Amino acid sequence: GQQVMQIPQYQHVQEGEDFTTYCNSSTTLSNIQWYKQRPGGHPVFLIQLVKSGEVKKQKRLTFQFGEAKKNSSLHITATQTTDVGTYFCAGPVGNEKLTFGTGTRLTIIP
Amino acid sequence: NAGVTQTPKFRILKIGQSMTLQCTQDMNHNYMYWYRQDPGMGLKLIYYSVGAGITDKGEVPNGYNVSRSTTEDFPLRLELAAPSQTSVYFCASSRTTNSYNEQFFGPGTRLTVL
Repeated sequence: GQQVMQIPQYQHVQEGEDFTTYCNSSTTLSNIQWYKQRPGGHPVFLIQLVKSGEVKKQKRLTFQFGEAKKNSSLHITATQTTDVGTYFCAGPVGNEKLTFGTGTRLTIIP
Repeated sequence: NAGVTQTPKFRILKIGQSMTLQCTQDMNHNYMYWYRQDPGMGLKLIYYSVGAGITDKGEVPNGYNVSRSTTEDFPLRLELAAPSQTSVYFCASSRTTNSYNEQFFGPGTRLTVL
């Protein structure tokens, strides 16, 4: 079945440093979604990418969908303590459900 | 709108006990989902529903049952609880019948089976 892997599994950065997480699918995706889960919280939708090579920005966050639509990345510029959490990518399985990636847990060293 | 609500927030069960995790959404979403998240791990789909009266198995359905008698409610039943079912359970909903729509998650139920 479809697998969605993320690297790294964990990332510890100094506040102000940049952070990137990578998402790789075993199959071509029609779209990819990104979610953020704060410690002790629930996943919250961040963004969806649909087009090959698409790049979207949300303030300090930059999301990219690969040309082959099998990979994606999330880059955070100048991390802040509010960025702490686990970031998940998710790809569709058919038209009814999502497969979530393994997640990247980001911790910030003040 | 309250969004997706789940009860209870926390529960401790003894091995062999049963319980129902409640999930309600007030967004008139067709699709609803149950996930479990083990400590430090990702989300695994247990069951999902595409509308009232329709349910289907996800990745890890064993030991669980669901029903969907209304659009709003999607309860998850645990029969004969086992320690392996210790996890955080999230309910989620989605608006339409394609995968281009975001999922809205409830706050979760933290279940411990001793």
